[in-house]
Amino acid sequence: DTAVSQTPKYLVTQMGNDKSIKCEQNLGHDTMYWYKQDSKKFLKIMFSYNNKELIINETVPNRFSPKSPDKAHLNLHINSLELGDSAVYFCASSQDWETVAGELFFGEGSRLTVL
Amino acid sequence: AQSVTQLGSHVSVSEGALVLLRCNYSSSVPPYLFWYVQYPNQGLQLLLKYTTGATLVKGINGFEAEFKKSETSFHLTKPSAHMSDAAEYFCAVSRSLVGGYQKVTFGTGTKLQVIP
Repeated sequence: DTAVSQTPKYLVTQMGNDKSIKCEQNLGHDTMYWYKQDSKKFLKIMFSYNNKELIINETVPNRFSPKSPDKAHLNLHINSLELGDSAVYFCASSQDWETVAGELFFGEGSRLTVL
Repeated sequence: AQSVTQLGSHVSVSEGALVLLRCNYSSSVPPYLFWYVQYPNQGLQLLLKYTTGATLVKGINGFEAEFKKSETSFHLTKPSAHMSDAAEYFCAVSRSLVGGYQKVTFGTGTKLQVIP
């Protein structure tokens, strides 16, 4: 069983559309994250949830809205997609939010291409 | 603020040669340091981490890294490169912020090419 799974793996869409990416983890972790990796491989945190509560919200446009229905799921909805949103979006989880040296477990990524 | 700098976005080595990937950090408090590896079309996975104690840290796949406080460095090494080591490597630093949660900051990555 995949520990952190994301769907879809690939997403191609037109500017202005709305799309969602789903993430599920079966590790029993309390904390989940969304990271964005741009074309230069730079990895930046977007959001972090601990047990369904938002704990990190970096400077991300309001068009991005995360939702965590339970601690095993963290979805990302993007409204009015722009060309600059094209990237690989990674979901990750960690045991909890207090363990400073805690390992992050990543999904395989969702490659979003906006045309 | 904390940050990591990876020197060299691309490194090429011959198969069997020493691998050295450089990482320098800046942190106002003792850092927790990590190396992650990303194989093509996959997510990142942890290679090794330094928290406290022994400054030479051993990880998976024969990699190791040494924490040098005086040089603010955490370079990744492997004595003999294998073709399967070709991947993107990310150095990262973590610390607690106000509120107690940890924030992990990644470097810009180094792509390792292994030449047969």
